[in-house]
Amino acid sequence: DSGVTQTPKHLITATGQRVTLRCSPRSGDLSVYWYQQSLDQGLQFLIQYYNGEERAKGNILERFSAQQFPDLHSELNLSSLELGDSALYFCASTPGRVQETQYFGPGTRLLVL
Amino acid sequence: GQSLEQPSEVTAVEGAIVQINCTYQTSGFYGLSWYQQHDGGAPTFLSYNALDGLEETGRFSSFLSRSDSYGYLLLQELQMKDSASYFCAVRDTGSQGNLIFGKGTKLSVKP
Repeated sequence: DSGVTQTPKHLITATGQRVTLRCSPRSGDLSVYWYQQSLDQGLQFLIQYYNGEERAKGNILERFSAQQFPDLHSELNLSSLELGDSALYFCASTPGRVQETQYFGPGTRLLVL
Repeated sequence: GQSLEQPSEVTAVEGAIVQINCTYQTSGFYGLSWYQQHDGGAPTFLSYNALDGLEETGRFSSFLSRSDSYGYLLLQELQMKDSASYFCAVRDTGSQGNLIFGKGTKLSVKP
């Protein structure tokens, strides 16, 4: 158990819908990272927040957005969902802004039908 | 841009030694990390090399050659539980220091 929690574990929805994924980092960690993992793909970095502020953006679609709240939990919002958005979404956390040892949550498996 | 290359699959038998290679191309370089991911599970950190040479942690070792833009993960005394995907990752100066992951190597350990 990494100490990072994610909800929900599974999500099934339809194309065009909007969903929100939630992540709580390890106690004391200020950075939260979001990743997408599709079948046969590696982990694609989406976005990072540090202490409430967006710090870095990766390959995040405009239909996706995220935020980090004062209690440091983070939410990833996915809208106008398409079939290709079906994937595992992981969040990870670290104490500082950038660190090699990232602690990953169990992931949310999203299926868009 | 940046890219990482690693074999897609490796098969080995219990008790054997296996080496998973990773070559990378980055605009800048801090170090090479390795993560393990079991099917349906979350990635977990295994090791990090910032300097050339071999780092050993129990049955797992990781090597880096900065001049060759190359590293490997060495797994010894393989156990069935080592069957998993292994990802190399670099913290690239071009990605604001965030990790760029390879596509992973699926290791199957046979009895």
